Amino acid sequence: DSGVTQTPKHLITATGQRVTLRCSPRSGDLSVYWYQQSLDQGLQFLIHYYNGEERAKGNILERFSAQQFPDLHSELNLSSLELGDSALYFCASSVSGGAEEAFFGQGTRLTVV
Amino acid sequence: GENVEQHPSTLSVQEGDSAVIKCTYSDSASNYFPWYKQELGKRPQLIIDIRSNVGEKKDQRIAVTLNKTAKHFSLHITETQPEDSAVYFCAASGGTGGFKTIFGAGTRLFVKA
Repeated sequence: DSGVTQTPKHLITATGQRVTLRCSPRSGDLSVYWYQQSLDQGLQFLIHYYNGEERAKGNILERFSAQQFPDLHSELNLSSLELGDSALYFCASSVSGGAEEAFFGQGTRLTVV
Repeated sequence: GENVEQHPSTLSVQEGDSAVIKCTYSDSASNYFPWYKQELGKRPQLIIDIRSNVGEKKDQRIAVTLNKTAKHFSLHITETQPEDSAVYFCAASGGTGGFKTIFGAGTRLFVKA
């Protein structure tokens, strides 16, 4: 157990819908990262938050947005869902967001039908 | 933009042999290079990392080397065992434009008993 909690574990929804994925970082970690992993693909960096502020952005679609709340949990919002958005979405956290190990959650598997 | 290339995409070795995975990064400002192992259906987990002020690091059967001039780093696994079979991801962190971790596409390692 990495200490990073993601909910829900599985999500099935229809095209055009909107979903929210939630991540609770390890206790004491200020940084949260979101990644997308499509079937048999690598980890695509989406976005990084540090202590409530956006720090870095990767190839995140405009239909996707994220935020980190004062209690440091984070949510990834995916809207106008398309079949191609089906993937495993990982959240990771680290202490400060610098050159250090990031701990991954178990992921949320999103299936768009 | 930032990019990390990883080779090979698939690697099959006999138990007891060595395995080498190579990565090249594009952002010369990157200063932290972790390696993650992802077993089937599980979350990525850090196995070893190296910082830009170090050329080599070893942990039992695993070693990583870094050539900053060539922007190249490699993972070496000696005396491979069947339980080493997994997908391995290299990553480069730090860099310009905010702290982000960019992952390579992954190497699927098969260790044959």
